[in-house]
Amino acid sequence: GAVVSQHPSRVICKSGTSVKIECRSLDFQATTMFWYRQFPKKSLMLMATSNEGSKATYEQGVEKDKFLINHASLTLSTLTVTSAHPEDSSFYICSARGGQKAYEQYFGPGTRLTVT
Amino acid sequence: GQSLEQPSEVTAVEGAIVQINCTYQTSGFYGLSWYQQHDGGAPTFLSYNALDGLEETGRFSSFLSRSDSYGYLLLQELQMKDSASYFCAVLNQGGKLIFGQGTELSVKP
Repeated sequence: GAVVSQHPSRVICKSGTSVKIECRSLDFQATTMFWYRQFPKKSLMLMATSNEGSKATYEQGVEKDKFLINHASLTLSTLTVTSAHPEDSSFYICSARGGQKAYEQYFGPGTRLTVT
Repeated sequence: GQSLEQPSEVTAVEGAIVQINCTYQTSGFYGLSWYQQHDGGAPTFLSYNALDGLEETGRFSSFLSRSDSYGYLLLQELQMKDSASYFCAVLNQGGKLIFGQGTELSVKP
């Protein structure tokens, strides 16, 4: 149980275009989903927290107009990187939490974004 | 501010025991989690300590001392497949996980 999927696993896009990444909880309802960014050999940096049906809460320094997050249902959250630039190239990982235990977050396999 | 410190790299041989330490400075501490991540993969949950003491799960154990803002992950009977990055993460009062920089463990034959 507690499987989280991400789609796509890899994406290459041109500078200036937008890319949408989907995060789905496959066998549980995720009241909260988190989006992280990870650089090679580095930590996971929390970008934002999204609760179903409400606006995402962004961490300090994360541009909300650049990284659009939607959590329209209890099993799906999307991250759209708008007007992507090469510096947005990174590994984006989502996690989902559905239970009462706050520490139980289940991570997706990540999406490797390359902006050319 | 919030910060976690853990060693960047650790090397050990198969069958050995290794301890990965983590010290933290955070506001609103609820507990300390440990995650394993293989190259390019999803972090997988290993353990969570909310109270002081040692929690054992198979070959892996995790320890927490809240008064010292310190914890560690102990891996016993190391196997080659244990080669991965290990992250400590503080669960704060906002329900968010704040991750350390990660420790890359290399297990040699």
